[in-house]
Amino acid sequence: EVQLVESGGGLVQPGGSLRLSCAASGFTFSSFWMHWVRQAPGKGLDYVSRINSDGTITQYAGSVKGRFTISRDNAKSAVYLEMNSLRADDTAVYYCAKDLHILGFDYWGQGALVTVSS
Amino acid sequence: QSVLTQPPSVSAAPGQKVTISCSGSSSNIGNNYVSWYQQLPGTAPKLLIYDNNKRPSGIPDRFSGSKSGTSATLGITGLQTGDEADYYCGTWDSSLGAGVFGGGTKLTVL
Repeated sequence: EVQLVESGGGLVQPGGSLRLSCAASGFTFSSFWMHWVRQAPGKGLDYVSRINSDGTITQYAGSVKGRFTISRDNAKSAVYLEMNSLRADDTAVYYCAKDLHILGFDYWGQGALVTVSS
Repeated sequence: QSVLTQPPSVSAAPGQKVTISCSGSSSNIGNNYVSWYQQLPGTAPKLLIYDNNKRPSGIPDRFSGSKSGTSATLGITGLQTGDEADYYCGTWDSSLGAGVFGGGTKLTVL
């Protein structure tokens, strides 16, 4: 059974940092692109970032470029999102998602809530 | 403001058919595959359609997808009360170099 489990969410002050982790199981992790998607409270889906199967290609939404860093450890079947210079508008549930084929996300984690507030 | 445009809401009676549109541009829908997701309250999104018109295993054929030019459409037939949810389209935007989603459409089954 495929499982994606996010962790590392919480309350952080504006300007602070947080690192999200996503532990994957039930599939050959090293063969798939992985993504982060977020959803602010009561709002729609917002694309964040993606990383290719061996970690050599990363891409980001304009709103997080230069502040967020995606990475992965295929030995641990995990993907990470390092978030710096956090702002109030980064407050959201952050989902990691497995790519079936070109942004068709066939499995999603349960989400990790990040709240940026003083 | 979302890059992809969806109607905020649609509604139809049980058993009927509904379509949800998703409008974009040549940099996204026009030259990339489109996916569709269903999100029930308090849950993660669920993939309904990928590569414009393919259904993952386990998704009933009541759900269908199509694409023409810079627009895509999700169709749902034989509506059930359990289909009440938010629906999102998504694709890659080659100009932005990032994924993009529509603003979401709330489906009400009357």
